Amino acid sequence: AQSVTQLDSQVPVFEEAPVELRCNYSSSVSVYLFWYVQYPNQGLQLLLKYLSGSTLVESINGFEAEFNKSQTSFHLRKPSVHISATAEYYCAVSGGGDMRFGAGTRLTVKP
Amino acid sequence: DAGVIQSPRHEVTEMGQEVTLRCKPISGHNSLFWYRQTMMRGLELLIYFNNNVPIDDSGMPEDRFSAKMPNASFSTLKIQPSEPRDSAVYFCASSLAQRGAGNEQFFGPGTRLTVL
Repeated sequence: AQSVTQLDSQVPVFEEAPVELRCNYSSSVSVYLFWYVQYPNQGLQLLLKYLSGSTLVESINGFEAEFNKSQTSFHLRKPSVHISATAEYYCAVSGGGDMRFGAGTRLTVKP
Repeated sequence: DAGVIQSPRHEVTEMGQEVTLRCKPISGHNSLFWYRQTMMRGLELLIYFNNNVPIDDSGMPEDRFSAKMPNASFSTLKIQPSEPRDSAVYFCASSLAQRGAGNEQFFGPGTRLTVL
């Protein structure tokens, strides 16, 4: 079975500051890792994913995450955030069947 | 593709009434998931289907909840009788289960259920 722990329930930052949202996972099998974003009153949207190959994956809007097998982590980072990044972010792990989500991290970007 | 379609988008009902939520997955997807989201409990997986067959319903809260998938393009989640504590946003998601593909899930916009 897989599980995910998101280490911060809330992350407040100022606009243009760097941000890191932390995610640790546990699994007894090879995993696929995902970050989803949820804007207010919307469903979850895929931000980026790690399936295999390069351990550093990027989204089209500048977020990146690095798969670290030894530390069982998949932290999400962005060097400079805009107010529009304010949302709930979910880390998820899949072993190929269903998907397990973390509790979510609310990122609030302040002007 | 229109994405995952859910109806209704909002439902307000009175305690004791039957509620039926509907979902149309993305064409060609063979896995379907029902989630419930609340402030207190976050995102919870209720049940998921693979090729129209329920695989894991361990997340279904109690017998008042039931889900069906009569064909590859339609699923329902029914609550009978409904209670105020069922108030939540219910999401449907679908994926194409392929070996090595990670099974990315595509979410619908959700149904906001309020039970008075």
